[in-house]
Amino acid sequence: QQQVKQSPQSLIVQKGGISIINCAYENTAFDYFPWYQQFPGKGPALLIAIRPDVSEKKEGRFTISFNKSAKQFSLHIMDSQPGDSATYFCAATAGGTSYGKLTFGQGTILTVHP
Amino acid sequence: EAGVVQSPRYKIIEKKQPVAFWCNPISGHNTLYWYLQNLGQGPELLIRYENEEAVDDSQLPKDRFSAERLKGVDSTLKIQPAELGDSAVYLCASSFGPLAGGKETQYFGPGTRLLVL
Repeated sequence: QQQVKQSPQSLIVQKGGISIINCAYENTAFDYFPWYQQFPGKGPALLIAIRPDVSEKKEGRFTISFNKSAKQFSLHIMDSQPGDSATYFCAATAGGTSYGKLTFGQGTILTVHP
Repeated sequence: EAGVVQSPRYKIIEKKQPVAFWCNPISGHNTLYWYLQNLGQGPELLIRYENEEAVDDSQLPKDRFSAERLKGVDSTLKIQPAELGDSAVYLCASSFGPLAGGKETQYFGPGTRLLVL
């Protein structure tokens, strides 16, 4: 019940295209859903996050879509650039005694071709 | 503002040897986390500290792993003895505490890459 399932494992898009990564969860206690971006040799860095009281959040070229009833959320990267090539992780956490306990997806390796 | 600092960045040891990792969190962050990241996987939480107190160590293999956070700032994670399967990246992260009103973003350090031979 603690798992967060992420797909696809890898994704190749052309420069200017749209990258879409999907995640699904089971634990209805999750109330915070961040996306992290990780470059080789670096730690994950927060990209964008959403709470379940909204269905969409946009920051620049990055958008999270959230479907509470389906227990799914996705990351959309518009106008993908070669510099976006990295590994992306979705994550989820609940409050209360589970505060801060991020459960990560398996990761998606994104490659953007020039 | 300085980020989370970890050292060493790389460590190669023989199996059965001890190893220690050090983390200095972002100033003002009360919560500190140690994560394990295996190749091609997402990070998995090992232990979480609120100030000096380990509030969640349920995923820490206590037979060989130990951690401490003296004075509620820096932290050390130790493995003794190391096994081949411990080869991974050990990430430290920090954040404001649970009473910070939504400021739960975790900031990760670059990690320590451990290779056990």
